[in-house]
Amino acid sequence: KAGVTQTPRYLIKTRGQQVTLSCSPISGHRSVSWYQQTPGQGLQFLFEYFSETQRNKGNFPGRFSGRQFSNSRSEMNVSTLELGDSALYLCASSLTPVVPDTQYFGPGTRLTVL
Amino acid sequence: QQQVKQSPQSLIVQKGGISIINCAYENTAFDYFPWYQQFPGKGPALLIAIRPDVSEKKEGRFTISFNKSAKQFSLHIMDSQPGDSATYFCAASDSGTYKYIFGTGTRLKVLA
Repeated sequence: KAGVTQTPRYLIKTRGQQVTLSCSPISGHRSVSWYQQTPGQGLQFLFEYFSETQRNKGNFPGRFSGRQFSNSRSEMNVSTLELGDSALYLCASSLTPVVPDTQYFGPGTRLTVL
Repeated sequence: QQQVKQSPQSLIVQKGGISIINCAYENTAFDYFPWYQQFPGKGPALLIAIRPDVSEKKEGRFTISFNKSAKQFSLHIMDSQPGDSATYFCAASDSGTYKYIFGTGTRLKVLA
């Protein structure tokens, strides 16, 4: 079974631009979560989707948004990029949104904002 | 109250030694505590996890010790190997929210 895939793997943008990242969960998985990983901060929860509904959101500004499609694929969007948005963005999928259902992480998208 | 504090930030251990990483939390609603292992260029992968109804869980060379009263839990890697060199993250979750709070990570290096 294919793992979680994220595209693109690397992105370079300039301040003020917007960006869309994509995540394809493991086949059959319906819950998708997004995290921002930065050195020193670890992984910070962005949001979680299940059945196309955002069920949980972390403490990030409204510039960060996401959505989930009927096939469980998910996208996250960051508008008006800031230098501090440079990070590794990780997507994780699980069969259900119930803890302790295992989360499987993708390799991440490395975003650099210049 | 949502934080999970992890220490040390980095750790160097000789091959065959014991690696110990500690985490502390404040939110008593947390009821699931996983540890993740991350290699460079890869996403984190679940290593081992524990619920607060047990004080210890062992899987191979990896053991989680859990102290509910102190609100602390730790990962012990016995007989550490160079292949264990990676970044380790502890996490905590409240089943009702399905929101994981991660520690800041520990970079482990095992010397051959």
